[in-house]
Amino acid sequence: QVHLVQSGAEVKVPGSSVRVSCKASGGSLSNFAVSWLRQAPGQGPEWMGGVIPAFGASNYAQRFQGRVSITADESTNTAYMQLNSLSYEDTAIYFCAQGEANWFDPWGQGTLVTVSS
Amino acid sequence: ETVMTQSPATLSVSPGERATLSCRASRSATNKLAWYQQKPGQAPRLLIYDASIRATGIPARFSGSGSGTEFTLTISSLQSEDFAVYYCQQYNNWPGTFGHGTKVEIK
Repeated sequence: QVHLVQSGAEVKVPGSSVRVSCKASGGSLSNFAVSWLRQAPGQGPEWMGGVIPAFGASNYAQRFQGRVSITADESTNTAYMQLNSLSYEDTAIYFCAQGEANWFDPWGQGTLVTVSS
Repeated sequence: ETVMTQSPATLSVSPGERATLSCRASRSATNKLAWYQQKPGQAPRLLIYDASIRATGIPARFSGSGSGTEFTLTISSLQSEDFAVYYCQQYNNWPGTFGHGTKVEIK
């Protein structure tokens, strides 16, 4: 089964951008959708958007449209999520996971993004 | 968006007892419903998909049922490793949405 490993924790100032990576091992990202979800403290996960690497097409949740970019590099088996114009409310754990229009499995280990001045 | 409401927020259960968790959708999810388990500091782990199908490696004590707007996750005999937070997620209506979770704690 595919194993997803994410990049490390980030601390960002309001107004800046963050880019988180998600590298797959044990299989190819190309054939499956990869989604990004986030989880604020004490809340359930929230889907942000996803990409199908083989097609390069991305879909985004409406509330993140225009502020998030999700891409994939098939040559390195890595997916990326960039979130712009960060605010304090973007402090959360960000997860990548396989799946988009259905269930999510497996998940990466999560990346804590803290927005602080 | 489809709102998922889970109840109760916290469930106190003794080891070996049965736990029943509920999930309600604001509009029909047909059978497109998944359950996840999350322990502190870990990512969610898929337990059930399509309302009642156990994911690979999930013990038989976990079972899911329901369709439309009402769903249930049952853990037949709680083991120590089952104390965690459980989330439901619908994927019938785009975008997929999660509930706020039910915490299963030791009584």
